[in-house]
Amino acid sequence: NAGVTQTPKFRVLKTGQSMTLLCAQDMNHEYMYWYRQDPGMGLRLIHYSVGEGTTAKGEVPDGYNVSRLKKQNFLLGLESAAPSQTSVYFCASGRVGNQPQHFGDGTRLSIL
Amino acid sequence: GENVEQHPSTLSVQEGDSAVIKCTYSDSASNYFPWYKQELGKRPQLIIDIRSNVGEKKDQRIAVTLNKTAKHFSLHITETQPEDSAVYFCAASKENQGGKLIFGQGTELSVKP
Repeated sequence: NAGVTQTPKFRVLKTGQSMTLLCAQDMNHEYMYWYRQDPGMGLRLIHYSVGEGTTAKGEVPDGYNVSRLKKQNFLLGLESAAPSQTSVYFCASGRVGNQPQHFGDGTRLSIL
Repeated sequence: GENVEQHPSTLSVQEGDSAVIKCTYSDSASNYFPWYKQELGKRPQLIIDIRSNVGEKKDQRIAVTLNKTAKHFSLHITETQPEDSAVYFCAASKENQGGKLIFGQGTELSVKP
């Protein structure tokens, strides 16, 4: 039982490049979330999903897109990376809303 | 929208002392308040949570109190140990909002032996 798994763990991109971060959970959770963590700013919600085939915007959605084609996977895409998107990205999942969220180990992304 | 303020940003205590971290929230409809501990380079991990129908909850050396009228909640750690050193985050969410958590800015707790 791996819980929440994020790939990759580290990545360096050049401005304008695109990439996709993958989150996979094996707990059969309905809800999944993408957060970014920046120094002194806590965790901020980018996008979330309340079930397969659904997505919704969080606090800081600009510059990101997401997809939830399968219940266990939640993908975060950067279409044209910008230095302001340098951050640590965490995925989380929860059984339903207002329940404990389980986090992955994070992806450290640097954009030059 | 909801806003969560957390204080202090850093806290240093001697081993064995108590530590208190406070959070205030702006949306009176918020009804779920978790606390997460994050060690350096690690994932945030839930340590305790409380719902709005409860005023206090304890788990061994950790307790959380909630004052709905004042819209603030606090984390209390007693008999602190060096392994309690970490960054602690409070958060708030409300029903029918997809479980969206709004986090405080974090408190870096240092427990000195």
